[in-house]
Amino acid sequence: QVHLVESGGGTVKPGGSLRLSCAASGFSFSDVHMNWIRQVPGKGLEWISYVSESGTTVYYEESVKGRFTISRDNSKNVLYLQMNNLRLDDTAVYYCAGDQYGDFTFDNWGQGTLVYVSS
Amino acid sequence: QSVLTQPPSVSGTPGQRVTISCSGSNSNIGSNTVKWYQQFPGMAPKLLIHSTSQRPSGVPDRFSGSKSGTSASLAISGLQFEDGADYYCSSWDDSLNVYVIFGGGTKLTVL
Repeated sequence: QVHLVESGGGTVKPGGSLRLSCAASGFSFSDVHMNWIRQVPGKGLEWISYVSESGTTVYYEESVKGRFTISRDNSKNVLYLQMNNLRLDDTAVYYCAGDQYGDFTFDNWGQGTLVYVSS
Repeated sequence: QSVLTQPPSVSGTPGQRVTISCSGSNSNIGSNTVKWYQQFPGMAPKLLIHSTSQRPSGVPDRFSGSKSGTSASLAISGLQFEDGADYYCSSWDDSLNVYVIFGGGTKLTVL
């Protein structure tokens, strides 16, 4: 059974950093494209980053470009999101999501981890 | 404001058929497939429809997706109380610097 578990969220001051992790199990992690999607509590979904199966291709949403870095370790079945220079409007629940179709279809999601940026 | 426009809310009674619309443009829905996600409060979203009209294994055939031009729709027939949730459409966008976009979400209330 596919299982994605995020960790690393918490409270951080503006300008601070956090690294999120997403541990994958129950499927061939190295065969699946992976993404990070966030959701401000009570609001809608926002895609923020993509990494290809091998990790060689990455994409970012404009507002996080240059501040966030997505990566993966296929030997450990873990997806990462390094978040630097955090802003108040980065406060959200962050989900990792797998895409086996390769067309930004998010067919499996983790339970999410809350990032709270506050002074 | 989302690039994909959904009604904030829809409602129906058990057994009814309801539709949720998702309006976009030529650069997204008009030229790419549409996905639909269902989300219950406090839970992660779940894929409901992919490739505009395909249901993943385990999704009841009461749920169906379609599109026409730059608009897409999610139809739910034989409405059940447990269908009450938030629904989001999503598509790839061909515009520069934009990749995946979501609609603002529609809250379905089963009366």
